[in-house]
Amino acid sequence: GENVEQHPSTLSVQEGDSAVIKCTYSDSASNYFPWYKQELGKGPQLIIDIRSNVGEKKDQRIAVTLNKTAKHFSLHITETQPEDSAVYFCAAISNDYKLSFGAGTTVTVRA
Amino acid sequence: EAGVAQSPRYKIIEKRQSVAFWCNPISGHATLYWYQQILGQGPKLLIQFQNNGVVDDSQLPKDRFSAERLKGVDSTLKIQPAKLEDSAVYLCASSLQAGEQPQHFGDGTRLSIL
Repeated sequence: GENVEQHPSTLSVQEGDSAVIKCTYSDSASNYFPWYKQELGKGPQLIIDIRSNVGEKKDQRIAVTLNKTAKHFSLHITETQPEDSAVYFCAAISNDYKLSFGAGTTVTVRA
Repeated sequence: EAGVAQSPRYKIIEKRQSVAFWCNPISGHATLYWYQQILGQGPKLLIQFQNNGVVDDSQLPKDRFSAERLKGVDSTLKIQPAKLEDSAVYLCASSLQAGEQPQHFGDGTRLSIL
């Protein structure tokens, strides 16, 4: 099955700075890569996703890049705000249509 | 559009007792998933339904866990008997169809086993 690794496990940034989270995956057949934000006591919320036929996708302050050759993808948050503080998960869907999650990154935005 | 609804939000039971969780997916979503999320980890798939049929239950501990989606809409997940290691958040998610589709999650049921 798919194995997704995520780094770093924790990330502390000053408000207004950028945050970058990186993930690698093992199955070259994976074609769909969603990112989720999970706040305390809530379920994971889909914030952005990317498919393998696209190298980059942007939605306001959030962007995701995908390098299929290297099998890695990244989440970029610009101009971070206190409400960006949460746990972020990367994930990948491979040929068996199972969603495999990374271990999560706890992002703290310091005011 | 209403999101995925789950109940109860919290449950505390003693080991060896039984417990059931309920999920109502987003209207029109054919695929429903149950995940287990242990503290500090990402969600792990337990079972996947397509309409009222099971697509994948390879990670479901079938000696104690069971799930059903009788009319292809709501679903229940049951644990009997519960073990200490079952303490986790149980998340329900749904998508329009199976495959490379966005999955939308409910807020989960936090289960504590004493």
